[in-house]
Amino acid sequence: GDSVTQMEGPVTLSEEACLTINCTYTATGYPSLFWYVQYPGEGLQLLLKATKADDKGSNKGFEATYRKETTSFHLEKGSVQVSDSAVYFCALLYSGAGSYQLTFGKGTKLSVIP
Amino acid sequence: ETGVTQTPRHLVMGMTNKKSLKCEQHLGHNAMYWYKQSAKKPLELMFVYNFKEQTENNSVPSRFSPECPNSSHLFLHLHTLQPEDSALYLCASSPTGTNQPQHFGDGTRLSIL
Repeated sequence: GDSVTQMEGPVTLSEEACLTINCTYTATGYPSLFWYVQYPGEGLQLLLKATKADDKGSNKGFEATYRKETTSFHLEKGSVQVSDSAVYFCALLYSGAGSYQLTFGKGTKLSVIP
Repeated sequence: ETGVTQTPRHLVMGMTNKKSLKCEQHLGHNAMYWYKQSAKKPLELMFVYNFKEQTENNSVPSRFSPECPNSSHLFLHLHTLQPEDSALYLCASSPTGTNQPQHFGDGTRLSIL
């Protein structure tokens, strides 16, 4: 079945460092891909998305490009802030049982220190 | 403001209690979902409803009983739970039949004594 593999955390970075969180997927067809973020004590929030190959999703300084040739959707940010500390989930959307359903990676916890 | 509201935010209950979790969405979506988020495990999809009809039950034990009276409300009725059921329960909604993302509530943190 469709699946997502993302790098295990936790990841600890200093403020203004560069961030990359790797995500690869296995899917039949052409799923839509997402990054969600979960801040402490909250639910998941959509961070960015891409619906087809070569699409680049971006939001709040984060970017990810849908790479069909490498089946990847890595999350990047050039300069992280303390407020970016959260758990990040890569997800793909597939069609099943009459609805579109998400499958998630295990999540990567990011801690940014001043 | 997420558009998806879950109550209560925290719940502590004994194994013999009966309680219900509530989810309400104001986004005009027709699909609603229950997920379980446990420490060190991926998010687990529990139930899917489309237009009030259950379309997915992901082998969830019968001590969890969902109810969807209309497209805006979703409940999860709990009874005779086990300690391993302690987790964050997340509700989500989305438009039906599209590849649009799901919108999540902030979850109910459930602790079983």
